Amino acid sequence: DAGVIQSPRHEVTEMGQEVTLRCKPISGHNSLFWYRQTMMRGLELLIYFNNNVPIDDSGMPEDRFSAKMPNASFSTLKIQPSEPRDSAVYFCASSPTGQGKTEAFFGQGTRLTVV
Amino acid sequence: AQTVTQSQPEMSVQEAETVTLSCTYDTSENNYYLFWYKQPPSRQMILVIRQEAYKQQNATENRFSVNFQKAAKSFSLKISDSQLGDTAMYFCAPYMDSNYQLIWGAGTKLIIKP
Repeated sequence: DAGVIQSPRHEVTEMGQEVTLRCKPISGHNSLFWYRQTMMRGLELLIYFNNNVPIDDSGMPEDRFSAKMPNASFSTLKIQPSEPRDSAVYFCASSPTGQGKTEAFFGQGTRLTVV
Repeated sequence: AQTVTQSQPEMSVQEAETVTLSCTYDTSENNYYLFWYKQPPSRQMILVIRQEAYKQQNATENRFSVNFQKAAKSFSLKISDSQLGDTAMYFCAPYMDSNYQLIWGAGTKLIIKP
């Protein structure tokens, strides 16, 4: 298995532009998580999907952020419009059941820089 | 709110030495799960070891072992015979059913010197 696949690995964009991050979870995993990692705030859970349904999006910073999971093999995290404070590493993770019961498998992350 | 404290922001040891990373957490739950994750410079987040709170026996994975003290709410990670490849950030992350998500510590940066 290729593991959790995220794209792009790196993204540099100008303030005000739309950014879309992509994630392909491990086949058969029914839980998917989007995280943001910064030096100041550490690792923050943005949103959690179970069976393609958003269960908790209370970690999404504001309306500029949106996430979708149209099917079991694909998810996107969109920022529109982007701001410099959105610069961070964004991780996608998946697990076969609830996150605590089994290991969460992480992608390699997308490093986003907004200038 | 449940919290996780990793009191050592950074540690440095010589190769082949043993090192222990500390983690304490706060919870009122009785059954939960505890994880240590490793994040090397490649930034990939990798599971090191897991512990189920209802199990008294401490988990062990090769050179990695934990000292789980449930009453003290302590979950330390011991790395024996440390190797250069162990250089990474280490995160303690408990999971509580009430949160259905991992609660992440701030991390400990571990440097293994040759």
